[in-house]
Amino acid sequence: GESVGLHLPTLSVQEGDNSIINCAYSNSASDYFIWYKQESGKGPQFIIDIRSNMDKRQGQRVTVLLNKTVKHLSLQIAATQPGDSAVYFCAEITNFGNEKLTFGTGTRLTIIP
Amino acid sequence: ETGVTQSPTHLIKTRGQQVTLRCSSQSGHNTVSWYQQALGQGPQFIFQYYREEENGRGNFPPRFSGLQFPNYSSELNVNALELDDSALYLCASSHPGLAGGQETQYFGPGTRLLVL
Repeated sequence: GESVGLHLPTLSVQEGDNSIINCAYSNSASDYFIWYKQESGKGPQFIIDIRSNMDKRQGQRVTVLLNKTVKHLSLQIAATQPGDSAVYFCAEITNFGNEKLTFGTGTRLTIIP
Repeated sequence: ETGVTQSPTHLIKTRGQQVTLRCSSQSGHNTVSWYQQALGQGPQFIFQYYREEENGRGNFPPRFSGLQFPNYSSELNVNALELDDSALYLCASSHPGLAGGQETQYFGPGTRLLVL
């Protein structure tokens, strides 16, 4: 069935180091993926997206990698800062046409000063 | 800021009551989706409205209903509230591409509902 799962529920990273958050998806027909950041008490904030015709996309300090062969998605954050502490969700579009997002449980990233 | 606003920010209701939550979409966006986020979980899709019509529904009972208005703002109504309805309710707006491709959904801050 449709599901988006995350390998690690929590991740602690030293400030200044790079972090990698992983995500597995099960619907091979999904063709659009988004990473969201959610801080306490706020709604999910768009970070970066990628479509299935790409395998890598870069933003400011963030990179998303897509491996369709193993249905795996990752978010890399370079030079982490205290403000990066949040819960990170990957989400996929599962139904072309109504754009329903399917979210995973999330990974809590904590930046250690 | 995404330009998506929701009201109220917090709400306390008792079991059996009814509640209406409101969402104003980002300027230019004609699609609003509603999600329920229980504590410690990812958001779960409730339904989506496109140009005032329901355009897809998740696994939620009929007591969850919605509306979209001509200005693309939206309401989520929940009847006969249950304790398990306590959650953060999020709306997200988007504007599907002319070719029907998926577009990014931008979320509001949410309404936190507590049912006692």
